[in-house]
Amino acid sequence: ILNVEQSPQSLHVQEGDSTNFTCSFPSSNFYALHWYRWETAKSPEALFVMTLNGDEKKKGRISATLNTKEGYSYLYIKGSQPEDSATYLCAFIGGTSYGKLTFGQGTILTVHP
Amino acid sequence: GAGVSQSPRYKVAKRGQDVALRCDPISGHVSLFWYQQALGQGPEFLTYFQNEAQLDKSGLPSDRFFAERPEGSVSTLKIQRTQQEDSAVYLCASSSATSGSFHEQYFGPGTRLTVT
Repeated sequence: ILNVEQSPQSLHVQEGDSTNFTCSFPSSNFYALHWYRWETAKSPEALFVMTLNGDEKKKGRISATLNTKEGYSYLYIKGSQPEDSATYLCAFIGGTSYGKLTFGQGTILTVHP
Repeated sequence: GAGVSQSPRYKVAKRGQDVALRCDPISGHVSLFWYQQALGQGPEFLTYFQNEAQLDKSGLPSDRFFAERPEGSVSTLKIQRTQQEDSAVYLCASSSATSGSFHEQYFGPGTRLTVT
């Protein structure tokens, strides 16, 4: 059984704060790590697909890093805005060739104006 | 362009009823996945189709769950004799890749099933 853990489970920040969350995953048999943002009543939206150890990806104020040797990824949000409020999910792909995702339980971010 | 759509968005079923959940993937997407998200947990894999072939159904929790994709496009997840523990959000995702590790999956908005 693959274990993908996210922390913290929930987070409340003020508008303008920067924040980060952690995703830990098995360090063996790694194929890729996906980050998704899921806003209430909408579809989960892909943020990043990360495949290489040491990868750093950026999309606007959001960035992510990947360490496959120790099995963790960080997601950073700089200058949080209320519209960043969502559940952030990481998902691990390992050992299969067709892309079956194993998700963490998610981090619920609430940004207060 | 159109994304992945799912219907119904919300379904309330009485225990023991059968339900059918529909997924319309992005046109031309070969791969289709179903996931189940119980309250307070992350989504969990149920089953995978490549075109019309169901290549992995290892995540289906019981033989009450059945999925099909007969023409390689629209998929239906059927749950027979629903139980309270079936209450969850059911997510469908599609991808253009067959070796999907490096390709994002496009998700629908989910169907929230409540079994009373």
